[in-house]
Amino acid sequence: ETGVTQSPTHLIKTRGQQVTLRCSSQSGHNTVSWYQQALGQGPQFIFQYYREEENGRGNFPPRFSGLQFPNYSSELNVNALELDDSALYLCASSREGRSYNEQFFGPGTRLTVL
Amino acid sequence: AQSVSQHNHHVILSEAASLELGCNYSYGGTVNLFWYVQYPGQHLQLLLKYFSGDPLVKGIKGFEAEFIKSKFSFNLRKPSVQWSDTAEYFCAVNAAPGANSKLTFGKGITLSVRP
Repeated sequence: ETGVTQSPTHLIKTRGQQVTLRCSSQSGHNTVSWYQQALGQGPQFIFQYYREEENGRGNFPPRFSGLQFPNYSSELNVNALELDDSALYLCASSREGRSYNEQFFGPGTRLTVL
Repeated sequence: AQSVSQHNHHVILSEAASLELGCNYSYGGTVNLFWYVQYPGQHLQLLLKYFSGDPLVKGIKGFEAEFIKSKFSFNLRKPSVQWSDTAEYFCAVNAAPGANSKLTFGKGITLSVRP
């Protein structure tokens, strides 16, 4: 266990709907990164939040958005869901600082879009 | 842009066989290197990491990896695999020395160990 929790575990949505995924970071960590892992692929970086600000973004459209709260937990929002959004969504928490350049992953949320 | 290439999508070994999983990366600067493992039904776990110093790094569960800068490689090895090593293995890089920089993963290698 890494101390990183995600909810919900599984989610089924239909095309065009919106979804919110949640992540609680490990104690003492101030940075949350989100990744999308499609079936048979490695995780792909969506974006990162540090001190409540977006701190880097991967090649994902604007309908993928996020938030980080003062307690460093985070949300990933996806609007206008498409079939290709079906994937495992992972969040990873870490702490700023050269000595802490390791990201701890949560169990993921499995999103299925029908 | 960073990229990671993992050779062999699926590796099948018998218990006690030796393991080497290949990883090559592409990036114009200094990198940190990682191997993660995903056991069936479990979350991604860090096996080992390289930041600097000795290019031969040892991780958990008897795994080790060697960073060869001239070859842009970071291959994972284990002298004798066990059935419990059956899992998916991901090589990843991020830009050093920046804290928390994004991880770029390879596509992963599925390891199946026959008892």
